[in-house]
Parts: sequence; C-alpha cells; structure tokens
Amino acid sequence: AQSVTQLGSHVSVSEGALVLLRCNYSSSVPPYLFWYVQYPNQGLQLLLKYTSAATLVKGINGFEAEFKKSETSFHLTKPSAHMSDAAEYFCAVSFGNEKLTFGTGTRLTIIP
Amino acid sequence: EAGVTQSPTHLIKTRGQQATLRCSPISGHTSVYWYQQALGLGLQFLLWYDEGEERNRGNFPPRFSGRQFPNYSSELNVNALELEDSALYLCASSSVWDSEAQPQHFGDGTRLSIL
Repeated sequence: AQSVTQLGSHVSVSEGALVLLRCNYSSSVPPYLFWYVQYPNQGLQLLLKYTSAATLVKGINGFEAEFKKSETSFHLTKPSAHMSDAAEYFCAVSFGNEKLTFGTGTRLTIIP
Repeated sequence: EAGVTQSPTHLIKTRGQQATLRCSPISGHTSVYWYQQALGLGLQFLLWYDEGEERNRGNFPPRFSGRQFPNYSSELNVNALELEDSALYLCASSSVWDSEAQPQHFGDGTRLSIL
C-alpha cells in the first residue's frame, strides 16, 4: 500500500528565506504526487501535481517541487517566503483516479 | 467557473442523531470524493463516487454512506452519530480521464460538531 511521510509537522522560516517542505512516498510503482495548501477554515487548494511529464514541477504562488525517484521524494520549495504563505501544507499520492492518500501535514509559520 | 460547493458550512448534532452533508462538484466533473479531517487523525478517505456508482470506500463503518445523483452532486450520510465523528468533512471533485490522474478540487468543507 502506498504511504506518504512529511518530515516536520511544524516549520518556521523568516520572511524572504527559502521554504523547504519535505515529502517522501512509499510505493512499488511510480505514483501521481500532489501538494495542497490549507488556509484556516478553508478547504484544500492544489499547489502543483506530478504526473510523470517532467520531474521539476512549477505550481502556483511561486512554489515548485522536484520528483526524485531514487530518493522517493517530492519536496516543495519556494525561494522567498511571504507572510501570506503561512498555512498548512499537505503532500498526497494517488494511482490513477482513485483516492488520495495524504501525509500528516506541515504547518508553515513565517517570521517577520 | 464555480468551485466545489458544500452545505451546510456548520452542522451541530447530538449523539445518536443522523447528519446529511451535501456537495456540488465543479461543472463537468463526474467524480466526487469525501474525506474526513479529524483533529489528530489527519485527512482520511471516506468514499468515491463516479457516474452514480460507489467506486471505492475507506476504512469507515457502514453508518457512513452516501450517494451520487444524476447531476453528479452528492450526499454524505452519517447515522448514529458518535462524539468521534466531530470533524471537518471535505468534498472534492475531478474529471476522469483514462491516461492521467486528474487533480481533485476541494470545497471548503462542512464542520460537523457532535455534542
């Protein structure tokens, strides 16, 4: 069965600093991978998706993620953090059009 | 384009009662998914409907059920409510293609509180 591990339930970075949120997956076959963001009292918003077309995926709000098969990783990065990036971020995996399996989430805090 | 809409926003029930949550998918999407986001338990898959049929079910008891209507909207029903059912219930929709997984788009959820 597939699973997703997000290292670090809480991450704090200074405004303008690099954001790095870690995601590792466990799967016997290459999955589809997604990053979602959740702001307080809202649903999930899709940041980006990996579907095997390209290993470096660019998303919305300046975020990007790189799929590394050898490391079974799909880390999310942003070169310069903004205060508006403060939210909870979820990595998810799926195979085809079935359910999403989510990681436990990483709460990102931006320090002014 | 209207997003996924869920109603009601909040729902307060007591133990043993029944709750009905509703979801309207994005126009053109035929698949609807339900997830539970409970405190300390993360996001858990509940149900997947496509073209009116239940396609997959998560590890939840039978008192969690649902259906999808001909217009692709969906209902989630929870019977015999228990305190641990208190959670944010998220609905998502996607289009279904043969060759590539389409991302799921989420609504803002229904917060169910059991007293």
